[in-house]
Amino acid sequence: RKEVEQDPGPFNVPEGATVAFNCTYSNSASQSFFWYRQDCRKEPKLLMSVYSSGNEDGRFTAQLNRASQYISLLIRDSKLSDSATYLCVVSLNTNAGKSTFGDGTTLTVKP
Amino acid sequence: DGGITQSPKYLFRKEGQNVTLSCEQNLNHDAMYWYRQDPGQGLRLIYYSQIVNDFQKGDIAEGYSVSREKKESFPLTVTSAQKNPTAFYLCASSIVAGVSQPQHFGDGTRLSIL
Repeated sequence: RKEVEQDPGPFNVPEGATVAFNCTYSNSASQSFFWYRQDCRKEPKLLMSVYSSGNEDGRFTAQLNRASQYISLLIRDSKLSDSATYLCVVSLNTNAGKSTFGDGTTLTVKP
Repeated sequence: DGGITQSPKYLFRKEGQNVTLSCEQNLNHDAMYWYRQDPGQGLRLIYYSQIVNDFQKGDIAEGYSVSREKKESFPLTVTSAQKNPTAFYLCASSIVAGVSQPQHFGDGTRLSIL
């Protein structure tokens, strides 16, 4: 079993739709969680950190469920520009912040 | 502007040749990382360094080597022992603190075999 697993996708949604991605992690000692966005043939860029209480940034909402060991990302009112691959990242607070990346979920928003 | 600079953007390697990928950061970050990404796949950790003159192997270190002589620089050498080097190589850095901090990435180097 992989340390970090994401919905395989791809997700194809119309503009304006709400879409949610889940990511499960196997190490219960994991402490820090992030969502990154990666455009085709580009580097990953931090989208948002995920806090225990959940957090929101505009149309994006991230949630953490420690009991079930998963994090989620909700995108409301999808835009064409949201089309990308979304990477889930999980870290222990040791080993210089060594992180484990999921394989990503690809989202395509269509007009 | 603060950031991470990787060079070159594209690199071609001949059989039996060692090549070095450059990574420089001016963010004053302590930790630096090298990842490999194959098409349609996630990032795999090659090496990471928490502090100058110290580094650790990641999950796929075989066929690669690194050095960390300066805080700002973390070059990666792809040796001839790496038989399948074609991939997208990403360098990242982060602050080292008690709680893991997000990593910031350079824009990558694409390596291909001639």
